[in-house]
Amino acid sequence: GENVEQHPSTLSVQEGDSAVIKCTYSDSASNYFPWYKQELGKRPQLIIDIRSNVGEKKDQRIAVTLNKTAKHFSLHITETQPEDSAVYFCAARPGGGFKTIFGAGTRLFVKA
Amino acid sequence: EPEVTQTPSHQVTQMGQEVILRCVPISNHLYFYWYRQILGQKVEFLVSFYNNEISEKSEIFDDQFSVERPDGSNFTLKIRSTKLEDSAMYFCASSELRRETEAFFGQGTRLTVV
Repeated sequence: GENVEQHPSTLSVQEGDSAVIKCTYSDSASNYFPWYKQELGKRPQLIIDIRSNVGEKKDQRIAVTLNKTAKHFSLHITETQPEDSAVYFCAARPGGGFKTIFGAGTRLFVKA
Repeated sequence: EPEVTQTPSHQVTQMGQEVILRCVPISNHLYFYWYRQILGQKVEFLVSFYNNEISEKSEIFDDQFSVERPDGSNFTLKIRSTKLEDSAMYFCASSELRRETEAFFGQGTRLTVV
């Protein structure tokens, strides 16, 4: 069935360093890949998304890359700040549908 | 900025009771969803709803669950005969009628079954 794998489950970085989170998806027809940030007890909030016709997208300190051949996409956060600490979820929207399949999440700790 | 609103924010119910979780999607959105997140776990898709009918549902969404759009603004999730394992955060979401577009999430209803 449709699945999204996400690694690592926990990531600890020093303030100012970069953080990279990697995901793979199973449905090759997936066409939309959002990334959500979830702070404790709050709703998932979209931080960046990428569509299947694009290989890379950047928004200030956040960038996402997509490799459709490998069915792999990654989130890159540069110059991390303590307020970046949260759980990050990658997700994919399988082709032919509107539901979103989430990865298991990465708990990011940014140490000041 | 328009947002999805959910009520109540927290619901405590006795095992075996029925609960109704309520959502008001963003007004010009046409696709509605319910997701569930058990504490510390990932967000799981339950059901999507379009044009007054279920368009897709997951294995989790069995006969215990039902959804309804009783009027032009509300979207509800009913859980019959709740079980302890139904305790979770339930998120409503909505999106425009385009596949490559964001789903906006509500703030969630924390359901606790005791």
